[in-house]
Amino acid sequence: SAVISQKPSRDICQRGTSLTIQCQVDSQVTMMFWYRQQPGQSLTLIATANQGSEATYESGFVIDKFPISRPNLTFSTLTVSNMSPEDSSIYLCSALAGTAVYEQYFGPGTRLTVT
Amino acid sequence: QQQVKQSPQSLIVQKGGISIINCAYENTAFDYFPWYQQFPGKGPALLIAIRPDVSEKKEGRFTISFNKSAKQFSLHIMDSQPGDSATYFCAASNDYKLSFGAGTTVTVRA
Repeated sequence: SAVISQKPSRDICQRGTSLTIQCQVDSQVTMMFWYRQQPGQSLTLIATANQGSEATYESGFVIDKFPISRPNLTFSTLTVSNMSPEDSSIYLCSALAGTAVYEQYFGPGTRLTVT
Repeated sequence: QQQVKQSPQSLIVQKGGISIINCAYENTAFDYFPWYQQFPGKGPALLIAIRPDVSEKKEGRFTISFNKSAKQFSLHIMDSQPGDSATYFCAASNDYKLSFGAGTTVTVRA
């Protein structure tokens, strides 16, 4: 398995500002992902963070709103840009790790509130 | 549009009872089916998973049953304990990307 940490754990931000969320994995991993989970709801994939190249975004998510970096095999950031109250959500990163190639582990999440 | 349909939305079970959660999918490209357990304020934790070439997988009190022809899979929690009270998500993977069900909140009454 993998131990994944995220910073910050929570934040309250003003409309129109941006927040960068950091994700650190305790071992090198091939693939990292970013998900969004609205309170009491399911998880939705935002994008795949590719090491050394641009992230791959899912339908409904764009790079200008959610720029992602992945400078190495253990670290990624997600920025939520020009925030609105609709961006209030929990943002989770995940990574493929473990003995089975398909196993995907999640960080604890970042709870974002936009006022 | 949810690619994985999960039911029930919630269930209550007595301590020692069996909890059963069902999921269905349409996309035959899915090739890996994990279940996650999530406690309030925490990230989802991988509980158990199955590949489509296997019909059943058991790990401790947790069992996945998989029916490829019906495109359905389910989680059985045997001898449910109060500590099992959590939200459970089924998921399906295509090209390592997970699509999640809506989640089931399980409450185990002592």
